[in-house]
Amino acid sequence: KQEVTQIPAALSVPEGENLVLNCSFTDSAIYNLQWFRQDPGKGLTSLLLIQSSQREQTSGRLNASLDKSSGRSTLYIAASQPGDSATYLCAVSPAAGNKLTFGGGTRVLVKP
Amino acid sequence: GAVVSQHPSWVICKSGTSVKIECRSLDFQATTMFWYRQFPKQSLMLMATSNEGSKATYEQGVEKDKFLINHASLTLSTLTVTSAHPEDSSFYICSAPSGASGPYEQYFGPGTRLTVT
Repeated sequence: KQEVTQIPAALSVPEGENLVLNCSFTDSAIYNLQWFRQDPGKGLTSLLLIQSSQREQTSGRLNASLDKSSGRSTLYIAASQPGDSATYLCAVSPAAGNKLTFGGGTRVLVKP
Repeated sequence: GAVVSQHPSWVICKSGTSVKIECRSLDFQATTMFWYRQFPKQSLMLMATSNEGSKATYEQGVEKDKFLINHASLTLSTLTVTSAHPEDSSFYICSAPSGASGPYEQYFGPGTRLTVT
């Protein structure tokens, strides 16, 4: 059974600092991995999707890496802003269009 | 990107009544949709996979007679919480994969907050 772990569970940084969020999964047979952002009481916003054949994806200040063989992904957020405060979730899928298994999330607070 | 909507966004009901939540893919067709629930300060837990034209597949521990799922069309799945009790109060979120020519990215609805009194 796939298990996804996110460390740390919570993170507080001053504005401008870079953020590093970690995600690990036990079964390396994944189809893709997605990073999401969730604001309190809201749904999920997809940030980045990495296919199993890729090693990284970038979008603006966000960069996600994937090391499938070791079961790890890292989300980097450069030059953090207070608006980046949210919970960040990673999730993996075993096959195309299949269900996601989520990590517990990392709650991020960026202090002005 | 693809859009998934949910209705209602929040609902309050009395214990013992039933509540229906709708999940729609607005600009793409989805033969499969997923239903998750989320308790405060916790992550999402998959409840069931909704399959268009066939029975839903429920995760272990989820009561299929309590959480009725119907996927009547390629753009609509419904979750009915029957005989709701206070412990069913939660945030329910649906998702649908869109991948006609891509990596099957999952798109999530905005969620429905259910409070059972």
